[in-house]
Amino acid sequence: RKEVEQDPGPFNVPEGATVAFNCTYSNSASQSFFWYRQDCRKEPKLLMSVYSSGNEDGRFTAQLNRASQYISLLIRDSKLSDSATYLCVVTLDSWGKLQFGAGTQVVVTP
Amino acid sequence: DVKVTQSSRYLVKRTGEKVFLECVQDMDHENMFWYRQDPGLGLRLIYFSYDVKMKEKGDIPEGYSVSREKKERFSLILESASTNQTSMYLCASNPVEQGYDEQYFGPGTRLTVT
Repeated sequence: RKEVEQDPGPFNVPEGATVAFNCTYSNSASQSFFWYRQDCRKEPKLLMSVYSSGNEDGRFTAQLNRASQYISLLIRDSKLSDSATYLCVVTLDSWGKLQFGAGTQVVVTP
Repeated sequence: DVKVTQSSRYLVKRTGEKVFLECVQDMDHENMFWYRQDPGLGLRLIYFSYDVKMKEKGDIPEGYSVSREKKERFSLILESASTNQTSMYLCASNPVEQGYDEQYFGPGTRLTVT
C-alpha cells in the first residue's frame, strides 16, 4: 500500500469554476503536510503548507483531517495557469524526508 | 533565489554503463536528496545526505550509490545501468533548520538506458 494516495485525475475544470480533491496518507505519525505543484516537464515547487486548522493562500484552501488521515486542496475561480499536477506530500520525521503522492492532474479549460 | 542545478537535462546510456548524475546547489543547504519520478508512482527517495560525506538510504537505494565530497555537490551513481533505471531523476536541497521542510528541486535529468 502506498504511503500517500491521490486520485490521478485528470480533473477537467472550466475556467472560473471551483475544483477540490483529496489525498490520503497511511501513517498516523505523519508530522507535516504540504501541497506541491508540478508543471508539465518541470520540477515540483511548494504551493502551500497544510496546517491543522486549515489555511488559505489566495484562491487556494488546504484542509487537514488527522482523524480520517486525509488532506484536501480547493482551488476557487480557476485560472488557465492553474493547470498542473498537484502533489500531496507528508513528512514522517524531522530530517525533512518527504513522502510524495503520485499527483492529481488538473486541466483548466477556457 | 535558491538555485539547484543538474548536470544534464537528457541522458542516454547503454545497459551496463556507469552513470554519474551531478547536482549542485548554491544556497549552502545542509540537506540534499535524490529522487526518481515514474508515472503513477510519484517521487521516490533514493538517497539523502545531511552533511558532507554523510549519506542515508532512502526508500529505493538498490542499484545506486551517492557521493558528497563538498557541501554544495551531491552525486548519484549508477554503477551498472539497467533498463529499469530509465526514469526522471530529481535532486533537491533544503537547510537543516528544524521544521523547515520545503525542498528546492533542480530541473531534473531524464535518463534513458537502452
